[in-house]
Amino acid sequence: GAGVSQSPSNKVTEKGKDVELRCDPISGHTALYWYRQSLGQGLEFLIYFQGNSAPDKSGLPSDRFSAERTGGSVSTLTIQRTQQEDSAVYLCASSLDSDEQFFGPGTRLTVL
Amino acid sequence: QKEVEQNSGPLSVPEGAIASLNCTYSDRGSQSFFWYRQYSGKSPELIMFIYSNGDKEDGRFTAQLNKASQYVSLLIRDSQPSDSATYLCAVGSSGTYKYIFGTGTRLKVLA
Repeated sequence: GAGVSQSPSNKVTEKGKDVELRCDPISGHTALYWYRQSLGQGLEFLIYFQGNSAPDKSGLPSDRFSAERTGGSVSTLTIQRTQQEDSAVYLCASSLDSDEQFFGPGTRLTVL
Repeated sequence: QKEVEQNSGPLSVPEGAIASLNCTYSDRGSQSFFWYRQYSGKSPELIMFIYSNGDKEDGRFTAQLNKASQYVSLLIRDSQPSDSATYLCAVGSSGTYKYIFGTGTRLKVLA
């Protein structure tokens, strides 16, 4: 079956521009996570969605970051006025029972 | 601040040897523990999870959990060059869906 997909796979943008990253979770998975991974670092939690509940946004590093999940499925992570320190791989994961997380291939964001 | 600590490595072991990867965590309320493998340029994939003290074996992999000492380890028996990757430890607390990931240990299995 289809796994978690993310688009685009790579995104190069100029400082100050807005970017949107998309995640399509595994069908039927109610939990969706966004993480950020900088070079040589672990995964930094950004935001969590579970069903129709209010998302946990406690990991978002600044108010330039926002995310939404429409219809309990597709999610979009938006970064406004990008900065060079936003450069990282952004990983999305989905889960059925909040145990095993299935990760997408990630979006590599480069801010020039 | 809840923390998960791992030695960044690289940990180099010869082919066929046992690789031992360790992880310590600070939150005594932690209830679930996961090991993910991440190949270079790829996304993490789950290797094992463990919830109870003791050992859990799955093929060549054994996870060991000691809640009193707040550490969890992963043993890889008969290590193969294909096991060369970064191994991420993730810890979750009771009643929460949020997992704290360590920075990972890079394992190199030498042929």
